[in-house]
Order: sequence, then C-alpha cells, then structure tokens
Amino acid sequence: GENVEQHPSTLSVQEGDSAVIKCTYSDSASNYFPWYKQELGKGPQLIIDIRSNVGEKKDQRIAVTLNKTAKHFSLHITETQPEDSAVYFCAAKATDSWGKFQFGAGTQVVVTP
Amino acid sequence: DGGITQSPKYLFRKEGQNVTLSCEQNLNHDAMYWYRQDPGQGLRLIYYSQIVNDFQKGDIAEGYSVSREKKESFPLTVTSAQKNPTAFYLCASSPLRGPYNEQFFGPGTRLTVL
Repeated sequence: GENVEQHPSTLSVQEGDSAVIKCTYSDSASNYFPWYKQELGKGPQLIIDIRSNVGEKKDQRIAVTLNKTAKHFSLHITETQPEDSAVYFCAAKATDSWGKFQFGAGTQVVVTP
Repeated sequence: DGGITQSPKYLFRKEGQNVTLSCEQNLNHDAMYWYRQDPGQGLRLIYYSQIVNDFQKGDIAEGYSVSREKKESFPLTVTSAQKNPTAFYLCASSPLRGPYNEQFFGPGTRLTVL
C-alpha cells in the first residue's frame, strides 16, 4: 500500500526565517498532494494543494513544490510569523482511490519571536 | 455557514461503555470519513462512506461501528471492544465528483476513557 513519510517531526524557527517540510511518497499513481495546518485542539485545515500536472504552486507566503520523478513534495513557508506555529500534515492520493488519503505523521512547527 | 460540526468537543467514558460521536455536514458532500489521531502520529482511517446506507472499513475499524442513514450525518460508535479508545477523533467529508476529492475536516472530539 501507499506510504507517506514526513520530515522533520519538529521544526523550530525564528520569526522571519523560512520553514521547509518534506514528504516522500511511494505510490507512483499518486497525483494529488494537499497540505493541512492543525492548531492545538482543532481539526486540520487545508492550506494549499498541488496536483501532478504542475511543479510548484504559491499562495502568498506559502509554496509547495513537487518532484514526481523523485516522489517527493515540500511545503515552504517564508517570513514565518508566530501564528504559523502549528502541526502541518502532508497527504497523497491517487485519483482512482477516491477519498483514501495517506497522511504523513505531521511536523510540529514552532515560530519563536 | 457551511461546514462540518462534531459533538461533543470533549467526551469522557468509563471502561465497558459504548459512546457515540456525532458528525454532521451541510456541504452537500457525498463522502464522509472518520479518523483517529494519537499524539505524534498521523491520521488513521477508521471508516468511510460514499453514499447513504453504505460504508467500508478503514485501516483500524476493530472496536468501532458507524451508520449512514442520512447524507448529512455519519455517527461513530466507540464500543467496549476498542481496547485503547482514548484519542482525538476527526470527521471529514469530501465530494465524490472530480478527480481530487478534497477533504474537509471537523473540529474533532477528544475522547478520554476513565
């Protein structure tokens, strides 16, 4: 079955610096890769996603890159702010496996002022 | 407001009791899901449903049961057979049409067994 590995498990950055989280997947049929942000005691919120027909997508301070050959994708947060502190999850899915996402274990990001 | 609601937010259960967690969505999504989240771990799929009156087991279905009598509702029962039920439970929904089926999550229910 499909497996998604996520690194690092924890990430501490100074406010204003960049944060990068990397995920690796195993199923070559995967073609949809969402990223979720989960604040303490709340459900995950979709923050950005990327589909296999593009290599990079940006939304203000957040960007995601995809390397299908190497089977990995990354989340980049620039100019980090204290409100970026949360757990971030990556996920992967193939279009012929509706709804059955494989999630990474999560990265705890702490932004220190 | 459109979204997914879960209740209660916190739930305490004595050993040997069954408890039911509520999940309702008004997004008109066909598919609904239940996940379990333990500290430091990713989301594990318990059950999922594509349509009313139909559902399938996920990766960790033992000790859980669900029903899907209405499109909007997908309650999860944690039975006494679940040996380690203390966890954070997340409900999600997604459309079926389209190739990507983005999932949207509810706020979660934290279950603690006393």
